[in-house]
Amino acid sequence: DVKVTQSSRYLVKRTGEKVFLECVQDMDHENMFWYRQDPGLGLRLIYFSYDVKMKEKGDIPEGYSVSREKKERFSLILESASTNQTSMYLCASSKESNGYTFGSGTRLTVV
Amino acid sequence: QKEVEQNSGPLSVPEGAIASLNCTYSDRGSQSFFWYRQYSGKSPELIMFIYSNGDKEDGRFTAQLNKASQYVSLLIRDSQPSDSATYLCAVHQTGANNLFFGTGTRLTVIP
Repeated sequence: DVKVTQSSRYLVKRTGEKVFLECVQDMDHENMFWYRQDPGLGLRLIYFSYDVKMKEKGDIPEGYSVSREKKERFSLILESASTNQTSMYLCASSKESNGYTFGSGTRLTVV
Repeated sequence: QKEVEQNSGPLSVPEGAIASLNCTYSDRGSQSFFWYRQYSGKSPELIMFIYSNGDKEDGRFTAQLNKASQYVSLLIRDSQPSDSATYLCAVHQTGANNLFFGTGTRLTVIP
């Protein structure tokens, strides 16, 4: 069964910490995405990547960075976590213009 | 104007009825259309996609696309309580690497 795996289901971090969210897919997909989802705001695109070492800003990149050193892995980095980054973070991958496969999500709480 | 618009609901239907979920999009050149189901606390899962005008049926689900009206819908026949979830409409716009999501419609099927 093909999968997108996010390393943590729940995370609690302190304000100011550097936070790494990892995502791995086993489908050889070119495209990978990071979204956050908040009640009433829907899915908001943070960053995406369409190839190794390539990245594009989404709608809300401020306070985040990403890394894609290998095709199967796409990491989201919160440089200095803040309470307004408390959210559900969803990773997804896709091949060309096909639909996404989502990971199970990471619920991050910043205290 | 948002790229993809959905009625946020909630939409309530009795068990066994037809649930009708609607979505409009702004980019006339959009080519691919997707419906995702998201249970509370879970990540979205792809349930239907449609590329051509008309209807596409898969079990109890039917996706309908009308590109002239920039409208896509999802019909769920014989609705079950297990269909209670938020349904997200997503559109792939020409030239974009990412999907554009609506904010979702919350469906409740009443036993």
